[in-house]
This record gives sequence, C-alpha cells and structure tokens, in this order.
Amino acid sequence: GAGVSQSPSNKVTEKGKDVELRCDPISGHTALYWYRQSLGQGLEFLIYFQGNSAPDKSGLPSDRFSAERTGGSVSTLTIQRTQQEDSAVYLCASSLAGRGHRNEQYFGPGTRLTVT
Amino acid sequence: GQSLEQPSEVTAVEGAIVQINCTYQTSGFYGLSWYQQHDGGAPTFLSYNALDGLEETGRFSSFLSRSDSYGYLLLQELQMKDSASYFCALSDKLIFGTGTRLQVFP
Repeated sequence: GAGVSQSPSNKVTEKGKDVELRCDPISGHTALYWYRQSLGQGLEFLIYFQGNSAPDKSGLPSDRFSAERTGGSVSTLTIQRTQQEDSAVYLCASSLAGRGHRNEQYFGPGTRLTVT
Repeated sequence: GQSLEQPSEVTAVEGAIVQINCTYQTSGFYGLSWYQQHDGGAPTFLSYNALDGLEETGRFSSFLSRSDSYGYLLLQELQMKDSASYFCALSDKLIFGTGTRLQVFP
C-alpha cells in the first residue's frame, strides 16, 4: 500500500518568506508526527497529532512554526518568516498506535528546506 | 533534562557482530525503539522493547535494562547493506538518540 508522502521534496526559499510543507499519512493511521533533522544530526520532535485530541506542540522551536491536521488525515507544517537556521530536512511520520504503545512510526521521504 | 546517548560511529567487517549502545536519562517511559536510516533516506523501524530483556527479529536483536538505564541493538552476520545510521528512541516521549553511524567493511 501507499506509504507516507511529503511535498515538496525540496524547497529553496529566501529568508523572511513563509513556507508550507505537506504530509499525507498512511490511511487509517491516527497518529502523525513532525520532526526536523539537520545534516548528520538526530531527529528533533516538533509536533504530534493523535486523533481528535489537541496536538502536542511542545517541540515547536518558536511561534513562527505552526501545524494543522485537517480531517484527521493530511497535515501542513507552516514556517513563517523563515530564518537560515530553519534549513533542515523536515520529516513526517504516522503510526497506527499512539505514543505510549508500540507506535511503529512510518516515515515519509522528507522535505529538504534550504533558506538562503 | 531527558536525553539518549549513543556512540557517534562504529565500524565492523562483513559477517561480524556489532552492538550499538543507548544510555538514557529520563524518568519513566513506555518503551525503547530502534530505527535505521540510510544516507539520504527516511528512518525505518527495526525493533521495540517494552519490557526488560532481549527481543529478537532475524539478524537484529534489541535489549533493554531499565535498572541500568541502558539498551542496545545487536546486529549479527553483518552485511554491507547494514551500513547506515541507527537511532534509539523513547517511543512515548518522542525523543531520539544522537545516532550511531555504522560502517561495514568487506
């Protein structure tokens, strides 16, 4: 079946511009996660959605970052007034079970964001 | 704070056995997961330990000891395709380790 998809695969933007990153999770997966990964580094948690519950936004680095998940499926991560330090690969994942369980996460290919 | 520490790099030869350690500092968690990530690729799930002890999945096994705040991933019969980065993660806290780059040589 189809895996997690993300778009665009690459995004180059100028400092100060807003960007939107999209994630299509696996159908039926109730949990959705956003992470950020800088070159050669680990994954930094950004935000977590579980069903109809309020999202866990504790990982968002600043108020320039926001995310929504419409209809319990597609999610969009928005970064406003981008800064050079926002350059990274943004990874989306989904899982059938939520956190606190064996939440085997399936990752998308990521969006590589470059802020010039 | 909460953190997961891993060695930055491990090297081994084909056919060998390698152990990648993960030590953590956190209070209370549901389970420890392991993910593999090839260069330029997305992480893929390998293993999960909810209880102390060894979980075996083919050539890969994972171990957890809550009393020692420690876990490891054991890779047996290494193959060239195992060259990748490996991350431990606290499944409920959504914290990933620093990652270990494994290089397998012929």
